[in-house]
Amino acid sequence: NAGVTQTPKFRVLKTGQSMTLLCAQDMNHEYMYWYRQDPGMGLRLIHYSVGEGTTAKGEVPDGYNVSRLKKQNFLLGLESAAPSQTSVYFCASSLNLGETQYFGPGTRLLVL
Amino acid sequence: GQQLNQSPQSMFIQEGEDVSMNCTSSSIFNTWLWYKQDPGEGPVLLIALYKAGELTSNGRLTAQFGITRKDSFLNISASIPSDVGIYFCAGQLFRDTGNQFYFGTGTSLTVIP
Repeated sequence: NAGVTQTPKFRVLKTGQSMTLLCAQDMNHEYMYWYRQDPGMGLRLIHYSVGEGTTAKGEVPDGYNVSRLKKQNFLLGLESAAPSQTSVYFCASSLNLGETQYFGPGTRLLVL
Repeated sequence: GQQLNQSPQSMFIQEGEDVSMNCTSSSIFNTWLWYKQDPGEGPVLLIALYKAGELTSNGRLTAQFGITRKDSFLNISASIPSDVGIYFCAGQLFRDTGNQFYFGTGTSLTVIP
């Protein structure tokens, strides 16, 4: 039981490049979330999903897209990376809304 | 976006001392959560609060959901070195357009042995 895993752990992109961050959970959780963490800003919700095939916008969705084709996976895409998207990205999952969110170890992204 | 004002921003305390931190907002929240984050890792949930006035303990940690539903505090008693880390409050809003989660900016705790 690995919990929540994220790949890659670290990535460097040039402005305008695209990439996809993968989050996987093996706890059969319905809810999955993508956050970004910046110094002095705490964690901000980008998008979340309440089940397979569904996604919803969080607090800071612009510049990101997500997909939940399988219950255990939640993908975060950057179509055209910008330096403002340099951050640490955390994925989380929970069984139900309002219940414990389990976080992955994070993906550190640097956009030059 | 919503603002969760968390204070203090950082604390330096002696081992054995008690710690208190709080989180306030201008919005009414349905759920308050407290997380701890160790360096290089994701946040881990410490305590979840679901009702106004609720007081919940988890070992040496105690947290309360404010009566107005706009604030929450976390107390740590008899601090130990492994309490070091960043503590985040989080609030959950139920809206017609979807549920929203907001995190505070964190309180960095340093425990001096």
